[in-house]
Amino acid sequence: QKEVEQDPGPLSVPEGAIVSLNCTYSNSAFQYFMWYRQYSRKGPELLMYTYSSGNKEDGRFTAQVDKSSKYISLFIRDSQPSDSATYLCAMSAGTGANNLFFGTGTRLTVIP
Amino acid sequence: EPEVTQTPSHQVTQMGQEVILRCVPISNHLYFYWYRQILGQKVEFLVSFYNNEISEKSEIFDDRFSVERPDGSNFTLKIRSTKLEDSAMYFCASKQGLTYNEQFFGPGTRLTVL
Repeated sequence: QKEVEQDPGPLSVPEGAIVSLNCTYSNSAFQYFMWYRQYSRKGPELLMYTYSSGNKEDGRFTAQVDKSSKYISLFIRDSQPSDSATYLCAMSAGTGANNLFFGTGTRLTVIP
Repeated sequence: EPEVTQTPSHQVTQMGQEVILRCVPISNHLYFYWYRQILGQKVEFLVSFYNNEISEKSEIFDDRFSVERPDGSNFTLKIRSTKLEDSAMYFCASKQGLTYNEQFFGPGTRLTVL
């Protein structure tokens, strides 16, 4: 069931570049959108959380949600080698226990 | 900073055996989850648990799977009659309450079924 689509990459960028990561989804009931960072063989670490459409900024990270297009993005400014990881988008409908639907993850490498 | 913990980090078992994966969610959280990630694939929802009962479960969570909160801190996932295809990373997650939607994940248990 391909409810959430994410380009798996891999994506390689030079240090200092702006990174754009994207997901599309099909379920119009999704209202809560998250980005997680996952290092190899580790648990997902919550990076950004947004509700409905709009932008949210946290330091070098900006999350955007466009519900009309069913499209979400994560931008990383001034990327650092420590940003090298797999980035997972996740979303939920916000009802009941609110289980998450994940994308496949995009593997990012920031080259010093 | 409070975090979700999981034990063991790696579990190896023979096909057909039973395994119990353990999690300690964040202490003031009320909703608990198990997810799994087969190598190279998406993180997939297994089950959610609230108020000492299952809230939702996926198709993956068949009658070989069960969850329990045996005391005020632990949350366990039991898999009976393990199959080769159960081999995966199993992640526990928790969230604070109904109006909070951020889920926090543990480091995972890597289950290998031989």
